[in-house]
Amino acid sequence: EAQVTQNPRYLITVTGKKLTVTCSQNMNHEYMSWYRQDPGLGLRQIYYSMNVEVTDKGDVPEGYKVSRKEKRNFPLILESPSPNQTSLYFCASSGFPISYNEQFFGPGTRLTVL
Amino acid sequence: GIQVEQSPPDLILQEGANSTLRCNFSDSVNNLQWFHQNPWGQLINLFYIPSGTKQNGRLSATTVATERYSLLYISSSQTTDSGVYFCAVDWGKLQFGAGTQVVVTP
Repeated sequence: EAQVTQNPRYLITVTGKKLTVTCSQNMNHEYMSWYRQDPGLGLRQIYYSMNVEVTDKGDVPEGYKVSRKEKRNFPLILESPSPNQTSLYFCASSGFPISYNEQFFGPGTRLTVL
Repeated sequence: GIQVEQSPPDLILQEGANSTLRCNFSDSVNNLQWFHQNPWGQLINLFYIPSGTKQNGRLSATTVATERYSLLYISSSQTTDSGVYFCAVDWGKLQFGAGTQVVVTP
C-alpha cells in the first residue's frame, strides 16, 4: 500500500530535550516536506527536500532541522524543543515537479512540549 | 505571497443536507487540491483538480482557474463528513487555506 508513515504519532516531552520525528514514504517520491498545523493558522511549511541531500527552508524553519540521506526518509529534528513548538506535525511527499503531482500526507504527529 | 481564502469558516449541517465550500486564490496557480481532515487529525486527499470538474461519490469539485476559485460540493451529507476541509494551491510551493470546519448533525 502506497503511504507516508510518521513516528511517533503522539509525543509529550520537556523543554530542551532533543527529539526526532521520523517520516518514510514508499512511493519513490523525490519531493518531501514537513508542515506544522496550529489553530487558526492552517498548515505552514517548515522544510522541504527536492531530492537526496537537497533541503531548503519553508515558511517557519526556526528551531527545526532536517536531513535527507535516503530518498524514502525525511526526519524532522528538534534539537532544543520549546513550548511554542507544541503542534500537530505532518510529513508529505509527492513526485517532482510538485506543480503536476498530488501531495500525500502522513497521519500526523501530535507533539506537546512542556 | 499568494492569498488563499476559504468560506465559510464554519458550517453546521443536518444529515442529508447539501452544501458548497468555496476556495478563492489571489494569483495564478499550477494546481489545487482539496483535503478532508477527520476528527482524528488525519489529512485525506479528496481531489487533485487544477481545472475542470471531478466527482467521487457524494463529493464533487470544480476549479475555474481563470477566475481563481474552486468549489467543493457535499451532497446528502453524513456524520462521517464532519471535520475540516482544506484547499491548497501550488504556485511553486503548496499554500493552504485556513479551512472550513464542517459539523454534520444526526
